[in-house]
Formats: sequence, structure tokens, C-alpha cells
Amino acid sequence: NAGVTQTPKFRILKIGQSMTLQCAQDMNHNYMYWYRQDPGMGLKLIYYSVGAGITDKGEVPNGYNVSRSTTEDFPLRLELAAPSQTSVYFCASSSGGGQFFGPGTRLTVL
Amino acid sequence: AQSVTQLGSHVSVSEGALVLLRCNYSSSVPPYLFWYVQYPNQGLQLLLKYTSAATLVKGINGFEAEFKKSETSFHLTKPSAHMSDAAEYFCAVTFMNRDDKIIFGKGTRLHILP
Repeated sequence: NAGVTQTPKFRILKIGQSMTLQCAQDMNHNYMYWYRQDPGMGLKLIYYSVGAGITDKGEVPNGYNVSRSTTEDFPLRLELAAPSQTSVYFCASSSGGGQFFGPGTRLTVL
Repeated sequence: AQSVTQLGSHVSVSEGALVLLRCNYSSSVPPYLFWYVQYPNQGLQLLLKYTSAATLVKGINGFEAEFKKSETSFHLTKPSAHMSDAAEYFCAVTFMNRDDKIIFGKGTRLHILP
């Protein structure tokens, strides 16, 4: 099992550009999550999904969108990137009782 | 509201000394509790979890944690620190509701002194 995979590992965007962060899991987990991690701030939940076709906002959803067309994939879309979105983004999945994390995507918006 | 508080954003211990990382939670319902470890430039890895069975939970790499309901605490310990334990540690809580969302503490960076 690959677990949770994320691409790309690193990305630099210019202000106003858009991009999609990819996340996939091969554990057949129903629950999937997107977090951002900023220094000294822990992890903040952006969006989550409890199953294919179902998504919901987390703590900091503004500036992001998600979709969940399959159980395996949960992409995160950034429209009109802003410097405040410079962060490390983590995807996670769960079947209940603990989340498994991907290796992260380091995004810089200049 | 449910929350998690980790005491100390940085903790330094000497190699071979006891590691103690503190975590307190607030909850109106029985929680499930976790400790995660994050090594530099990596994702979070589950260290151990408490899910209402034994109150003393053993995890990977010699770590353990004890759930104390009366103190609303779930402190992480290791008898003898190793240089490879240097990392950031996150305490987290969930309530096994329908979405399995986790609330994370802000993290404690553990430094090991030679």
C-alpha cells in the first residue's frame, strides 16, 4: 500500500494564479481531509469529506475548493492564489479512530 | 467546546533523560486521544492512541501515554531520550462522531541535548 500520496511536493505560484493539489489514498478510507500548517500554529482544517460526493468546510475554507468524485481522490483547488496561502498542505484519510497523513505539499505564493 | 492544550512549545532534554510532553484536553463527552510525531519536512505519523480501553497506552519508538480522566490529561513519556526523538509532537482529540474530525494542539518541539 502506498497509503496517502500527494503531488506536487513543492510549488511556487505567482499572485492570482490557480493550481490543484492532488491527494490520493489506497486504503479505501471514507474520510479525507485537507489541512494547512503554518509555523507555530499547528494544523488547521480546510475542507473534509465523509465519502464520495460529500464535502464540507473546515476551519479555514476561504480561497479553496474541493471535490470528491471517487473514494480514492480528494483534490484541493486554489483559485486566485494569495501570499496568505503560502503554507505546507497536508492531506489525510481515515476509516475512524485515527488519521493517516500524506507527506505534504510546500506552496509558496509570491 | 472541545480543545487541546499542549504545555510548552519547546522542550529540551538531555540524551538518556526522561521525556515528558504535556497535553490537556477539554471535552463534554468521552474523547479519543492521539499523539502524532512530525520529523522535519515530513508528514505526521501516528505515535499512539487512546480509544477507551487501557488507560496506559504504548506506542512506537518506546513512547507511552496515560489517560487520566480526573486530570483531563494525556501526557506523553519516554524513559530515555534518544537523539532520533528530536521532532515536533502533536496531541490531538476526536470524539468518534460521523466525520472523525480531529482537533490538534499547537505542537511541542522536542530538542535532544547531547
